[in-house]
Amino acid sequence: KQEVTQIPAALSVPEGENLVLNCSFTDSAIYNLQWFRQDPGKGLTSLLLIQSSQREQTSGRLNASLDKSSGRSTLYIAASQPGDSATYLCAVIRDNYGQNFVFGPGTRLSVLP
Amino acid sequence: DADVTQTPRNRITKTGKRIMLECSQTKGHDRMYWYRQDPGLGLRLIYYSFDVKDINKGEISDGYSVSRQAQAKFSLSLESAIPNQTALYFCATSRTGDSYEQYFGPGTRLTVT
Repeated sequence: KQEVTQIPAALSVPEGENLVLNCSFTDSAIYNLQWFRQDPGKGLTSLLLIQSSQREQTSGRLNASLDKSSGRSTLYIAASQPGDSATYLCAVIRDNYGQNFVFGPGTRLSVLP
Repeated sequence: DADVTQTPRNRITKTGKRIMLECSQTKGHDRMYWYRQDPGLGLRLIYYSFDVKDINKGEISDGYSVSRQAQAKFSLSLESAIPNQTALYFCATSRTGDSYEQYFGPGTRLTVT
């Protein structure tokens, strides 16, 4: 059974710092991996999706990498801002039928002004 | 206007009552999903549907039922609500043959007393 973990569970950084969030999965046979942002009491906003054939994706200050063989993905946030404060979740898609999404528990990020 | 909408946004109900949560989408996606989110447990899949005639159980379908009234509408019902169904419920959509990138609604906060 696929399990997804995210470490750390919570992180506080001062504004302007670069930071890395981690996502690990136990079964490397994944189809895609998606990173989301969730603000308190709100829905999930898709940030980046990495297909299994890709190594990384970039969007603005965000860069996500994928290493299937080691079962890891990282989300790099450059020059963090207070508006980046949210919970970040990763989810792996196990098969190419898109049937089986498994989510990590999330990392709660606080960027202090 | 939001692409994926959920109604109601908040609901308090009593044990034993039947309740329906509704989801509508304007993204033109064929796949729709229902998840629940509990603190410390992450998101778990309840039901999913790949088209109007296709309904599938997810990880935690007991106590729930769904109806796909149209490609754009997917409803979740709790036949007889119980307190441990208190959670945040999310609807999501994706498209077959795409990257299966998921798009989420804003969520419904359900409290069963």
